Amino acid sequence: ETGVTQSPTHLIKTRGQQVTLRCSSQSGHNTVSWYQQALGQGPQFIFQYYREEENGRGNFPPRFSGLQFPNYSSELNVNALELDDSALYLCASSLVGQGSYEQYFGPGTRLTVT
Amino acid sequence: GQSLEQPSEVTAVEGAIVQINCTYQTSGFYGLSWYQQHDGGAPTFLSYNALDGLEETGRFSSFLSRSDSYGYLLLQELQMKDSASYFCALDMRFGAGTRLTVKP
Repeated sequence: ETGVTQSPTHLIKTRGQQVTLRCSSQSGHNTVSWYQQALGQGPQFIFQYYREEENGRGNFPPRFSGLQFPNYSSELNVNALELDDSALYLCASSLVGQGSYEQYFGPGTRLTVT
Repeated sequence: GQSLEQPSEVTAVEGAIVQINCTYQTSGFYGLSWYQQHDGGAPTFLSYNALDGLEETGRFSSFLSRSDSYGYLLLQELQMKDSASYFCALDMRFGAGTRLTVKP
């Protein structure tokens, strides 16, 4: 059983650019959630995908968008990058509907916007 | 909306017991979770309370009281490796975290 993986590990972008972050869920999990974590803060919920459909969204603007694929891997896309988007981006997979509420987090992608 | 409050820092000695509190204001949620995160690492799941009461998992226990809008994580027999940040979460909403430092 493989864990949650994310790519890339680190990324540097310029303000105004677009970025795509990738996540491979744990085998058998049908739900993926994305979080933004600023230094010294808790993870902030961006959105969740369940069976390829958005299933909830936090207080993030539409320039944050996502996709979940049939193999349950997913992407987080951020357009028109701003300096405040610099953070650790975490994805977490889970198996909804089986009585389990545990989320398995990936190691994260550290995004720096200059 | 939802807001969660937890202490920013807690210090304890090895072998001791520490309680990290989490108070919240919300209109509804499914359950209260606790996660541990070491510096540079990913959050890892510790415990979950859907119902009021105590859940015990080894050295860690978690408690929830919906009527008091309050929960806590109890860590017993503290070890140096327990030094980390601890987050309470209502469904997908996380608190700001409590940094626990365990001293010899």
